[in-house]
Amino acid sequence: DVKVTQSSRYLVKRTGEKVFLECVQDMDHENMFWYRQDPGLGLRLIYFSYDVKMKEKGDIPEGYSVSREKKERFSLILESASTNQTSMYLCASSRSDLTGANYGYTFGSGTRLTVV
Amino acid sequence: GENVEQHPSTLSVQEGDSAVIKCTYSDSASNYFPWYKQELGKRPQLIIDIRSNVGEKKDQRIAVTLNKTAKHFSLHITETQPEDSAVYFCAARLGYSTLTFGKGTMLLVSP
Repeated sequence: DVKVTQSSRYLVKRTGEKVFLECVQDMDHENMFWYRQDPGLGLRLIYFSYDVKMKEKGDIPEGYSVSREKKERFSLILESASTNQTSMYLCASSRSDLTGANYGYTFGSGTRLTVV
Repeated sequence: GENVEQHPSTLSVQEGDSAVIKCTYSDSASNYFPWYKQELGKRPQLIIDIRSNVGEKKDQRIAVTLNKTAKHFSLHITETQPEDSAVYFCAARLGYSTLTFGKGTMLLVSP
């Protein structure tokens, strides 16, 4: 069974702090993603990665950065946390087929971040 | 990029009734359409998906239909049960790229 593990279930941080959200998957998936989930807005893509040390901006990358030093780990970084970054953050991973297309995201349980 | 619209935002049904959730997408090149179920406090989980070369797919009480001409796809749940209560998300993939999600439908099944 594929597992995507997010290091923290709940986090409370102060405005201006640097925040690290960690995600680890154990199925050797090439692709990893960070989404944020807000009521009425659904899931919005922040950043994604198709390979180690590779990253691509999603739809809402402002205020965030990422790191992928190892295939199994994808970190989301809030450089200077702000109250509008209070949200549920979901990590996901997926495999690619021989054509490079990716299917069937597996999500982590999420990190609920509150910035005060 | 792709844009996915999902309706309705909430849906209430009686146990045993059918439920239908509809999504439309903007780019005719989109080729993969998964549906996710998220129970309260849990992670979204893939429940069914369909590729653009197929018009319909069924898995027990769940089915998905795809109309490429109209650029819409739908989730059908028959004989609903209280444990079907959850938020359902549709998504579309453009080319080989990432998934774009709809805003979700909260389904409430009353006993």
